[in-house]
Amino acid sequence: EIVMTQSPATLSMSPGERATLSCRASQSVGRNLVWYQQKPGQAPRLLIYGASVRATGIPARFTGSGSGTECTLTISSLQSEDFAVYYCQQYDQWPYTFGQGTRLEIK
Amino acid sequence: DVRLLESGGGLVQPGGSLRLSCAASGFTFGDIPMNWVRQAPGKGLEWVSTIGDNTYYSDSVMGRFTISRDNSKNTLYLQMDSLRADDTAMYYCARRIKVSGTGAFDLWGQGTTVTVSS
Repeated sequence: EIVMTQSPATLSMSPGERATLSCRASQSVGRNLVWYQQKPGQAPRLLIYGASVRATGIPARFTGSGSGTECTLTISSLQSEDFAVYYCQQYDQWPYTFGQGTRLEIK
Repeated sequence: DVRLLESGGGLVQPGGSLRLSCAASGFTFGDIPMNWVRQAPGKGLEWVSTIGDNTYYSDSVMGRFTISRDNSKNTLYLQMDSLRADDTAMYYCARRIKVSGTGAFDLWGQGTTVTVSS
C-alpha cells in the first residue's frame, strides 16, 4: 500500500497570505493525485485532480503542482472560507490511500 | 438536482450487520464507478470500496463488506458484516469524476453514521 504523508499537520496563517501544503508518497504516484478540502460537518470537496487540474468551479487561487513522490497545494491569497482541513489522495494503485490531512487555521 | 443521499446507518453490536444505501439523482448513475469512503470520529478519510467494471476493497474490510449497485434504482449499497468497533465512522458514498483513468471523487453524499458498540 502507498502511504501518503502530509505536512505540516497544522498550518496557522492569516487571510491574504500564501499557504503551501505538502503531500509525500512512499512511492511514485506519477500525477495520479487529488486534493480535497473539508470543513467541519461537511463532506469533502474536490479541489484538484491529476496533480494540477482544478475541478469545476474551483477558484484560480488554488494551484496543484508536483509529481512522483512530492506534490504541493498552494493557495495564493487566503480567504476566510479557505480555513479547513485539506487531504491528498493517490489513485495510482489499489488501494486508494489518503494522507492524514493538514489543518489550515486562522492565525 | 445532482445529489447522493446515504441511509441505513445506526447503532449495531460487534459482530452484527448493516446495509448502507446511497440513492443517486440528477446524473446517469449506471455509467460511473461509485465508491464508499469513511471517516472515523475526529480522524481522516479512508477509502473503503469501489465498484466499476470490477470491485475493489481496502484490506481492512476485505471479506466482511460487499459493495453492489442496482442501476435500475440508481442506488449503491454497502453490505457490512462482522462489524467491529473500529468500523465506527461516518460513511460517505462518492462518485468518481467522469475523466478517464482518474480516481478522484467529485460528488459526495452527506454521509451516514455507523456506530459499532455493545
